[in-house]
Amino acid sequence: DAKTTQPNSMESNEEEPVHLPCNHSTISGTDYIHWYRQLPSQGPEYVIHGLTSNVNNRMASLAIAEDRKSSTLILHRATLRDAAVYYCMWRQPNNNDMRFGAGTRLTVKP
Amino acid sequence: SQTIHQWPATLVQPVGSPLSLECTVEGTSNPNLYWYRQAAGRGLQLLFYSVGIGQISSEVPQNLSASRPQDRQFILSSKKLLLSDSGFYLCAWTGAVGWYTQYFGPGTRLTVL
Repeated sequence: DAKTTQPNSMESNEEEPVHLPCNHSTISGTDYIHWYRQLPSQGPEYVIHGLTSNVNNRMASLAIAEDRKSSTLILHRATLRDAAVYYCMWRQPNNNDMRFGAGTRLTVKP
Repeated sequence: SQTIHQWPATLVQPVGSPLSLECTVEGTSNPNLYWYRQAAGRGLQLLFYSVGIGQISSEVPQNLSASRPQDRQFILSSKKLLLSDSGFYLCAWTGAVGWYTQYFGPGTRLTVL
């Protein structure tokens, strides 16, 4: 099975940057990397996606390694509302199913 | 704009009873549809996905089944619920082409007693 690997949990202080890593060593060259986050008792929400180049949007930045075997979600200034479980994922080649890893639970301390 | 609905929001069912959860999508056509289950404090487990009417792919052997009777309707069913079926059930959709960003519904919390 295709897999992603993420740390189980991370902590950050409010207003500080957070770097959430993900390994996806079996990703193929044409699959997009996606990040989602899930607040308690809600469905996951889309955060950002990318293919090869680093990406920025209003929520976060995505840094993709040159070999594409890993990526890092960057929250530039963590707020208490950013406390959530963050998932990285990618689509399996030649398939339409999507598989999520176990995710990283981010705790933000005031 | 696209919207995804799930109902009911919460459900408490006895062991051995049947189940029917419904998911509908508005504002798009020919979406890929997905059912996930999330046990308490755990990650997302893909159960079924569908790329078209009547086309269902199952990822996990279990006593659940899925059907897609219409383009934007996805149903999760069981004839007899087990205690282990308790969890948070999420429906999601993606476009049929492109980078496959997933959009999730609000979820159904199922408790089997």
